[in-house]
Amino acid sequence: EPEVTQTPSHQVTQMGQEVILRCVPISNHLYFYWYRQILGQKVEFLVSFYNNEISEKSEIFDDQFSVERPDGSNFTLKIRSTKLEDSAMYFCASSARLLDSSKNIQYFGAGTRLSVL
Amino acid sequence: GQQVMQIPQYQHVQEGEDFTTYCNSSTTLSNIQWYKQRPGGHPVFLIQLVKSGEVKKQKRLTFQFGEAKKNSSLHITATQTTDVGTYFCAQYMTTDSWGKFQFGAGTQVVVTP
Repeated sequence: EPEVTQTPSHQVTQMGQEVILRCVPISNHLYFYWYRQILGQKVEFLVSFYNNEISEKSEIFDDQFSVERPDGSNFTLKIRSTKLEDSAMYFCASSARLLDSSKNIQYFGAGTRLSVL
Repeated sequence: GQQVMQIPQYQHVQEGEDFTTYCNSSTTLSNIQWYKQRPGGHPVFLIQLVKSGEVKKQKRLTFQFGEAKKNSSLHITATQTTDVGTYFCAQYMTTDSWGKFQFGAGTQVVVTP
């Protein structure tokens, strides 16, 4: 079964440093997403991306965050200056999504655990 | 904004028992999705409900969408230890052609053998 892959599985960084989390979505999918899950809490939507631009973003996705699809396969989330509260599991997801929402199934990657010290 | 509330937050079940988790909204939902997240794992899509009163079954799991499309339930019969995990409902909100998912807080299920 096709899967979304994320690297690294665990990233440790110092507060104030920049981090880039990487994702390879399922190859024929067109819509990409980033989510965050703080330990023990719910999954929070960050951003959705289609056709090389952000289509939706949440209030969490402030100027410290950016996303990019640098080539035909990778989808990255950059945090410019990490804060302690950015420590969380970050999930990438993708969907083939047709305009008909009944076809919209998201497939999640295994996640990157970000630890900010 | 539109929020989905899940109850209970925590469910301790004896193996073999049935249980139900609920997802409620104060406003009408266009659709509802259910995900399962095993401990240490990632969310895995289970089902999507779109129609009023819709009922779907997956083996021991029964999903229902309320007639008013303001609530949904997941019922598991004869719970097994493999049912351990957190079950999230999520709504897909659309604006024009785009959309975003909003997850509920989840029901954490612990199964005792």
